[in-house]
Amino acid sequence: NAGVMQNPRHLVRRRGQEARLRCSPMKGHSHVYWYRQLPEEGLKFMVYLQKENIIDESGMPKERFSAEFPKEGPSILRIQQVVRGDSAAYFCASSPTSLEKLFFGSGTQLSVL
Amino acid sequence: KQEVTQIPAALSVPEGENLVLNCSFTDSAIYNLQWFRQDPGKGLTSLLLIQSSQREQTSGRLNASLDKSSGRSTLYIAASQPGDSATYLCATPTPGNTGKLIFGQGTTLQVKP
Repeated sequence: NAGVMQNPRHLVRRRGQEARLRCSPMKGHSHVYWYRQLPEEGLKFMVYLQKENIIDESGMPKERFSAEFPKEGPSILRIQQVVRGDSAAYFCASSPTSLEKLFFGSGTQLSVL
Repeated sequence: KQEVTQIPAALSVPEGENLVLNCSFTDSAIYNLQWFRQDPGKGLTSLLLIQSSQREQTSGRLNASLDKSSGRSTLYIAASQPGDSATYLCATPTPGNTGKLIFGQGTTLQVKP
C-alpha cells in the first residue's frame, strides 16, 4: 500500500503563471487535506475535501487558490497567477474517515521567481 | 480559538542525552494530541498520538505525555542519537474533525555525535 503521493516534488514558476499540485491519497482513503508551510512558519490548514466535495476551505486564500478532488484521479491544488509570497511547501494528507489519523505526503516545494 | 506553542524553537544536545520537548495549548478541550517528526525537505511522520482520555503513549525511546488541565504535552526522547536530529511538531485537531490540525511552530533538534 503506497503512501500519500505528491507530485511534483519541486515546482518552479514565474510570477503570473499557474501552479498545479497533485496528490494521490493512500488506497482506501477518501478524505484529503492540504496544508501550507511558509518559510519560518508552521503548517497551516488550507482545505479539506472528500470525493467531489469541498468540505472546509476556511484556510484557503480568497483569490487565486482552488482545490478539487474528482471522482477519478488525484486531488489538485491550483494556484493561478502566482506571486512570490506563494513560495512554500505544500503538503497533502489523507485519512479513511474524518476521525482517524492523517498520513502525510512528502510535499511539493513551490518556488516563484 | 486554539493556539499551540512549542518552546524552545531550537535545541542542541550531545549524543546520549535524554531530552524533553514541550508543547502547550490554550484550550484544554482537545480530542487528541499528536507528535510528528519532519526531516528537511521531507513530509511529516507521525510519532505518537495521545487520545484525550490517555495520559501517555510510548514507542521505543519516545514517550509522550498529556496533561489537559495544564494545557501541556511533552515528548521525551531517551538516549538521543544523531539520527534523531529533525524538527518535531505537535498538533491537535479542531473540534469535530481530527484531520484539521492546528500545529505548533516546531522544535528543531540537533543531536551532536
